[in-house]
Amino acid sequence: DAGVTQSPTHLIKTRGQQVTLRCSPKSGHDTVSWYQQALGQGPQFIFQYYEEEERQRGNFPDRFSGHQFPNYSSELNVNALLLGDSALYLCASSLGQGSDTQYFGPGTRLTVL
Amino acid sequence: AQSVTQPDIHITVSEGASLELRCNYSYGATPYLFWYVQSPGQGLQLLLKYFSGDTLVQGIKGFEAEFKRSQSSFNLRKPSVHWSDAAEYFCAAPNDYKLSFGAGTTVTVRA
Repeated sequence: DAGVTQSPTHLIKTRGQQVTLRCSPKSGHDTVSWYQQALGQGPQFIFQYYEEEERQRGNFPDRFSGHQFPNYSSELNVNALLLGDSALYLCASSLGQGSDTQYFGPGTRLTVL
Repeated sequence: AQSVTQPDIHITVSEGASLELRCNYSYGATPYLFWYVQSPGQGLQLLLKYFSGDTLVQGIKGFEAEFKRSQSSFNLRKPSVHWSDAAEYFCAAPNDYKLSFGAGTTVTVRA
């Protein structure tokens, strides 16, 4: 039973560029949430996708956008990268909505130079 | 909305000693609560969760947590720590569809 997978593992970009991160949920899960974890801090919620729609969004600018595909996999896109976007980006999957347990992937480490 | 607080930023414990990490929650009704562990540079692994029922919850890797409504706490414990338990530990609670995390507690294990 495959867990949550994310790609790529590491990514280096320069300011102003755009980046796409990918996530495949745990088998049987239909909900994907994205979190940003800056160094030394706890994860911060970016948004959640369910039935291919954004169901809830955290306090992140419109530069952060996402998509969920019919197979429940998801992408996180960040435009006009800033130095402050450097972080570990975590994807979590769950079943349905609400308080169901979220299972996390290994993360994508994004470095913006 | 639920929120959690982890009062301890850093704890150092000797290998073989017991460990207790504190988590305080703020919520009126019966909360859902989680403990996750994160090794350096890795994602978060679920240690255990509390939804309802027994207040003592068993998790993976020999960890347990006790829900105490009177103290608004959900502390994580392990009777005997191994060097591999050195990591960062996060308490979390759901708010609508998202998880809200505490600031985390870094555990250092000394030989």
